[in-house]
Amino acid sequence: DAGITQSPRHKVTETGTPVTLRCHQTENHRYMYWYRQDPGHGLRLIHYSYGVKDTDKGEVSDGYSVSRSKTEDFLLTLESATSSQTSVYFCAISEQGGRETQYFGPGTRLLVL
Amino acid sequence: KNQVEQSPQSLIILEGKNCTLQCNYTVSPFSNLRWYKQDTGRGPVSLTIMTFSENTKSNGRYTATLDADTKQSSLHITASQLSDSASYICVVSARGGGNKLTFGTGTQLKVEL
Repeated sequence: DAGITQSPRHKVTETGTPVTLRCHQTENHRYMYWYRQDPGHGLRLIHYSYGVKDTDKGEVSDGYSVSRSKTEDFLLTLESATSSQTSVYFCAISEQGGRETQYFGPGTRLLVL
Repeated sequence: KNQVEQSPQSLIILEGKNCTLQCNYTVSPFSNLRWYKQDTGRGPVSLTIMTFSENTKSNGRYTATLDADTKQSSLHITASQLSDSASYICVVSARGGGNKLTFGTGTQLKVEL
């Protein structure tokens, strides 16, 4: 998985609780992404980062925030988890943007009860 | 709205046989098209990336074709193996869209003995 780890790999939480997912890379790539994958939908971009402290929204960013204080770490926070945020979350990295290949992590399976 | 549609939704073939997966897109202006393989419970792995000027690209037993005029791509798998069982995802990037990709929902391929 191209030097990308995600933690936790599985999480069950209750509606209304905050949740933070972590993505860690050892490739020193500039770009990092958070996606969610749901049945019947293609992967959808939540947020991405193009450098330390530089982030931007994706198409499904409502209810999510991100932070990147170091090149290697990209955090995704659900401030108050809802059942609609039950999903599989993937982190991805790329050396540059544009036509560069994105390498994906192993995913985090989140269940919000 | 940018869209990527894949067909068939699922496919079962016998080991050793060939198969072709289809992808139609409406992403505009087009930048590049990617095929990813996603094993169950894992993150997607890149197979090929093609730009406007490339109409064929191979990666071992995988050959992708692109017709930018008709906005269609196909992924041909030769001499299938059990390990080819996976979801194959077509992904299209728009020029000027930065790092925002449009993902198809995938074709679920099962290779049987």
